[in-house]
Amino acid sequence: LAKTTQPISMDSYEGQEVNITCSHNNIATNDYITWYQQFPSQGPRFIIQGYKTKVTNEVASLFIPADRKSSTLSLPRVSLSDTAVYYCLVAPSGSARQLTFGSGTQLTVLP
Amino acid sequence: DTAVSQTPKYLVTQMGNDKSIKCEQNLGHDTMYWYKQDSKKFLKIMFSYNNKELIINETVPNRFSPKSPDKAHLNLHINSLELGDSAVYFCASSQSSGSYEQYFGPGTRLTVT
Repeated sequence: LAKTTQPISMDSYEGQEVNITCSHNNIATNDYITWYQQFPSQGPRFIIQGYKTKVTNEVASLFIPADRKSSTLSLPRVSLSDTAVYYCLVAPSGSARQLTFGSGTQLTVLP
Repeated sequence: DTAVSQTPKYLVTQMGNDKSIKCEQNLGHDTMYWYKQDSKKFLKIMFSYNNKELIINETVPNRFSPKSPDKAHLNLHINSLELGDSAVYFCASSQSSGSYEQYFGPGTRLTVT
């Protein structure tokens, strides 16, 4: 299993772009990178998933360099409601068993 | 029109009791999961069912017994509850067993006294 390392916490201000980087040095060839968001007292919510280069959806962008040893979740123009814990997960294709949540990054958006 | 629902939301009980948590999904998904989130917020998978068949059974005490009467339901029964069972239990579902996009329920906060 590829181990992931993320900052424990980050602060940002409303309207700023936030980048959360996750390190996964021993990522395997068939591993995908997935990010989840969890608000207090709620279950995690899928944000985005990627394998390489850049993936963008209506919520976020995911940047993955060529060596895939890290990935960056980018949240454009955050608002107070983006305050949550963000989890980076790395797991092999087709294996839900390997979906392991780490400690995540607590993002606090300040007014 | 809740996608994944769990009942109850809160459960307070004494050690030694037996309790159940129910989960239902109306997304038409094939796979359902139970996760446990402890006080340190680590979320760990416990069980997974695909089309009513158990496919993941992590190192969970056999006091925990999942049951899937049909594809849309996955219940968790816990016997002889212990203090260490206190946690938030999340049910989730996904379209298939290999999907990373899982939809989580609101959680059941279990407190064992």
